Amino acid sequence: SQQGEEDPQALSIQEGENATMNCSYKTSINNLQWYRQNSGRGLVHLILIRSNEREKHSGRLRVTLDTSKKSSSLLITASRAADTASYFCATGLRTTNQAGTALIFGKGTTLSVSS
Amino acid sequence: GAVVSQHPSWVICKSGTSVKIECRSLDFQATTMFWYRQFPKQSLMLMATSNEGSKATYEQGVEKDKFLINHASLTLSTLTVTSAHPEDSSFYICSLKSEEGREVYEQYFGPGTRLTVT
Repeated sequence: SQQGEEDPQALSIQEGENATMNCSYKTSINNLQWYRQNSGRGLVHLILIRSNEREKHSGRLRVTLDTSKKSSSLLITASRAADTASYFCATGLRTTNQAGTALIFGKGTTLSVSS
Repeated sequence: GAVVSQHPSWVICKSGTSVKIECRSLDFQATTMFWYRQFPKQSLMLMATSNEGSKATYEQGVEKDKFLINHASLTLSTLTVTSAHPEDSSFYICSLKSEEGREVYEQYFGPGTRLTVT
């Protein structure tokens, strides 16, 4: 089952506009992470926000976390065509044998930025 | 961050044959690697945890006899899809985590392997 649910599922914007994606999760977390996936490629880690943080910035990325609402948002400012990709939020998942902690991903938001 | 490679990047095989996918950590020794599967337009789902020197552990619903995992060294894990069927066609991605311990840290993902079973 999915831990996170992204909203919207798809987003189309023009270059220069801001893109906001939201993620909700179900269980308590130590941190929440956002990843980017270009079509048919692996995932790239974008940013990690800890449960005691409310906001974090990295370049054109801004992430917020509201643990009371179990939600997070990813804002990409001044978007570029190269930002076109799928974006996933992820939280920790204790694996079956408890020996490792993998990630459980939301369904993702597909972002299309047109020039 | 760690660099993770996968081989092959894509493979087409006939139904009933077996396919081996390699996941290599190029600059990081990983006692634990993870294998995920991603169907078209869907998210990643954890299949199994690959443990160096011991048996892999599988998530519920994943057949261990069908998806054989071997983690023979700290830098190599392999996933073999045995007796592949068209429904096994998917994007298989491995990852390793940046640190040990209870807290989840960022993971480093391989570029993925696209498997198509005809």
